[in-house]
Amino acid sequence: NAGVMQNPRHLVRRRGQEARLRCSPMKGHSHVYWYRQLPEEGLKFMVYLQKENIIDESGMPKERFSAEFPKEGPSILRIQQVVRGDSAAYFCASSPSADQPQHFGDGTRLSIL
Amino acid sequence: AQRVTQPEKLLSVFKGAPVELKCNYSYSGSPELFWYVQYSRQRLQLLLRHISRESIKGFTADLNKGETSFHLKKPFAQEEDSAMYYCALRPPGSSNTGKLIFGQGTTLQVKP
Repeated sequence: NAGVMQNPRHLVRRRGQEARLRCSPMKGHSHVYWYRQLPEEGLKFMVYLQKENIIDESGMPKERFSAEFPKEGPSILRIQQVVRGDSAAYFCASSPSADQPQHFGDGTRLSIL
Repeated sequence: AQRVTQPEKLLSVFKGAPVELKCNYSYSGSPELFWYVQYSRQRLQLLLRHISRESIKGFTADLNKGETSFHLKKPFAQEEDSAMYYCALRPPGSSNTGKLIFGQGTTLQVKP
């Protein structure tokens, strides 16, 4: 079991471009969480998804950010029209159910030029 | 507001010394508390959860509801304990969401 896989590990975008971050959960896990870590800060919850459903998106910025977890394939965190403030590490975690411990991926470091 | 506070950004101790990484939380209720650890060039991994009441790698943590604290302790630090440690909280009643609230993290540096 390879664990939670995130790609790319590093992503560089220019202001105004789109960023797509991918997360494949651990085998057997149907619950996916996205967190963002700004420099010098802890991880902040963004969104929680189960297959094809967004369950809790209370931590997502109102604009430009969206997430999906299709029936087939990885979960995608999409950031449209990126700005410098979007530069951060984005972590994905998965669990077999909401009350079980979450397993984290290595994260994607997003840099905006 | 739900909050987790780790007051020390950096804790530096000598090998063999006792270690206590502090964690205080702000939540009225009975949340579930966790400690996660990130070793150099590795991913974040679960170290302890309070409901398990277990000792992992010599670390223990006791939930003190009166002081709203969940400090992580180890009687004798080892160099391999050097890492970033995060305290996290899962609010009660969020078993249908499971989201975690993290502290800012404490870097533990164990010197030889």
